[in-house]
Amino acid sequence: DQQVKQNSPSLSVQEGRISILNCDYTNSMFDYFLWYKKYPAEGPTFLISISSIKDKNEDGRFTVFLNKSAKHLSLHIVPSQPGDSAVYFCAASEDYGQNFVFGPGTRLSVLP
Amino acid sequence: DTGVSQNPRHKITKRGQNVTFRCDPISEHNRLYWYRQTLGQGPEFLTYFQNEAQLEKSRLLSDRFSAERPKGSFSTLEIQRTEQGDSAMYLCASSLDGPRQYGYTFGSGTRLTVV
Repeated sequence: DQQVKQNSPSLSVQEGRISILNCDYTNSMFDYFLWYKKYPAEGPTFLISISSIKDKNEDGRFTVFLNKSAKHLSLHIVPSQPGDSAVYFCAASEDYGQNFVFGPGTRLSVLP
Repeated sequence: DTGVSQNPRHKITKRGQNVTFRCDPISEHNRLYWYRQTLGQGPEFLTYFQNEAQLEKSRLLSDRFSAERPKGSFSTLEIQRTEQGDSAMYLCASSLDGPRQYGYTFGSGTRLTVV
């Protein structure tokens, strides 16, 4: 059973517009969430995190929103740039755990 | 610091052979993790070290898999009697005192193909 789901395998967005990547989870014990970006032939790169005590965290063009009651989080990228084209993974951990459960990823294409 | 380094980048092996991968973490990071990623999936946790102690192992880590971090620096992951289902990208990551705020730093991975 997949505990972290990213139901959109791919997303295309025009340069300069907003990209919204969604993630749903089933385990109510998850209390910390990360977003990673991955380019081909490279390892995933950490983007932004959020703790369950918050509902929003912002870092530059990237904002993560957490809705605990819906077990849903989203990553907003504004404005989107062609260099943002990559696979984005959402990941979750529970109770100060050291390991994270990753979703299957969403491939974002930002069109010039 | 050049980040997390993994060698080799690619490995092709025949079914039944043993393979060993190496990971050199960021030097000041005391925690080291191994993940496996198959096509179309996110990384899956395999095991984690704090310094030289292996503190957690996933049920995915069958008895054919063994990982070591002998001096708390580099780590090796060995797969014995490889099977075609072992074909995957093996990712190593490291962190200082836990990944919860700033995540792990991943290496570029070792891609294993079992033929």
